[in-house]
Amino acid sequence: DTEVTQTPKHLVMGMTNKKSLKCEQHMGHRAMYWYKQKAKKPPELMFVYSYEKLSINESVPSRFSPECPNSSLLNLHLHALQPEDSALYLCASSQGDRDMETQYFGPGTRLLVL
Amino acid sequence: DQQVKQNSPSLSVQEGRISILNCDYTNSMFDYFLWYKKYPAEGPTFLISISSIKDKNEDGRFTVFLNKSAKHLSLHIVPSQPGDSAVYFCAASLSGDGANSKLTFGKGITLSVRP
Repeated sequence: DTEVTQTPKHLVMGMTNKKSLKCEQHMGHRAMYWYKQKAKKPPELMFVYSYEKLSINESVPSRFSPECPNSSLLNLHLHALQPEDSALYLCASSQGDRDMETQYFGPGTRLLVL
Repeated sequence: DQQVKQNSPSLSVQEGRISILNCDYTNSMFDYFLWYKKYPAEGPTFLISISSIKDKNEDGRFTVFLNKSAKHLSLHIVPSQPGDSAVYFCAASLSGDGANSKLTFGKGITLSVRP
């Protein structure tokens, strides 16, 4: 089983709203990732959690706030977003302890900021 | 500077024929390569990978070839099926760093398989 689930599938929010994206995996993976993908572009890494600790933050604006409550769950809290933040947000997971890591992606949350 | 390049933005192939998707990289330190398939509004699906100690890896209809001296890899799909129509991303990483081995993606190739 290589399933990563994400909720919600679609989200529309105003620039003053606070919302959260959720990601879950039950593969026993210890690394989880958030990516942002714009149309016709490759995924861009935002954050990496390794063993529930934030290990990489790719200089993401503070209006995006990640959280890893446990090894199976990853959240992305959104506050005061801009219209240019509209994109597909992807979660991924990997073993976390291998020499060669394969990341498995969820279906994504399509976010529209009005 | 793009370290992983997929120079052809699109490819059209007849059903039943071979699809060959190419990828070039510039960082000679990359030693693990992956191919992902992506349908619109969905997440990328892992297809196949290859480490730099190999020059070929096969999984069913999918074969990846790696030419380290040319810093080139290719994905062969044979026979191609209409359901293979999607965007294919090549990705590369440096091994040995666990979760911190970031994937560097190419821009993707749109494959269309004609019935």
